[in-house]
Amino acid sequence: ETGVTQTPRHLVMGMTNKKSLKCEQHLGHNAMYWYKQSAKKPLELMFVYSLEERVENNSVPSRFSPECPNSSHLFLHLHTLQPEDSALYLCASSQDRLLSSYEQYFGPGTRLTVT
Amino acid sequence: GDSVTQMEGPVTLSEEAFLTINCTYTATGYPSLFWYVQYPGEGLQLLLKATKADDKGSNKGFEATYRKETTSFHLEKGSVQVSDSAVYFCALSDRWDGGSQGNLIFGKGTKLSVKP
Repeated sequence: ETGVTQTPRHLVMGMTNKKSLKCEQHLGHNAMYWYKQSAKKPLELMFVYSLEERVENNSVPSRFSPECPNSSHLFLHLHTLQPEDSALYLCASSQDRLLSSYEQYFGPGTRLTVT
Repeated sequence: GDSVTQMEGPVTLSEEAFLTINCTYTATGYPSLFWYVQYPGEGLQLLLKATKADDKGSNKGFEATYRKETTSFHLEKGSVQVSDSAVYFCALSDRWDGGSQGNLIFGKGTKLSVKP
């Protein structure tokens, strides 16, 4: 595998379910990100991890819980979601969060539908 | 705060037409600027970038020049193909003198459809 991978690619869950999204980067990067992409809205940055430490949480509801066990893996744990949480969830990584010239590399996303 | 404004779509062009997608930004420091492309059913891919004023980023026939005086980073391509149909995002990476947040701030995206 190369680049940034995400699983599953599609997920349908009920509002009372608990599920997790997984992201893995094979680039040796130090920073990882979760974004939410909804129709007709700009990309929303949710969480930022740098060297496995969470450095940013953009007022995301507690029903979304991130986990970064090491610099290559990032999870987003989901529980008691709402229908408005249906969106494409994108994971990204970059070499170093503090140098703005470094671009972010994105995974293909997980299309989440909450019923 | 920092922000990115890009032209609303959708944009529909015929194959071999000239493409311009406008992007302007506001930033307190000296950001790096990026264009990302998202093909249907996929994540975002970096198309090109520029890290300082007057830099020109280019890739796959696309070009954009970092214009500090007009705070712009317009995307251009001389002759589009059907395979260029996608959503294009302009973005900046905020930073200040001596330090950086490094977060990407995206525009809303412009959907391009190219007809044969």
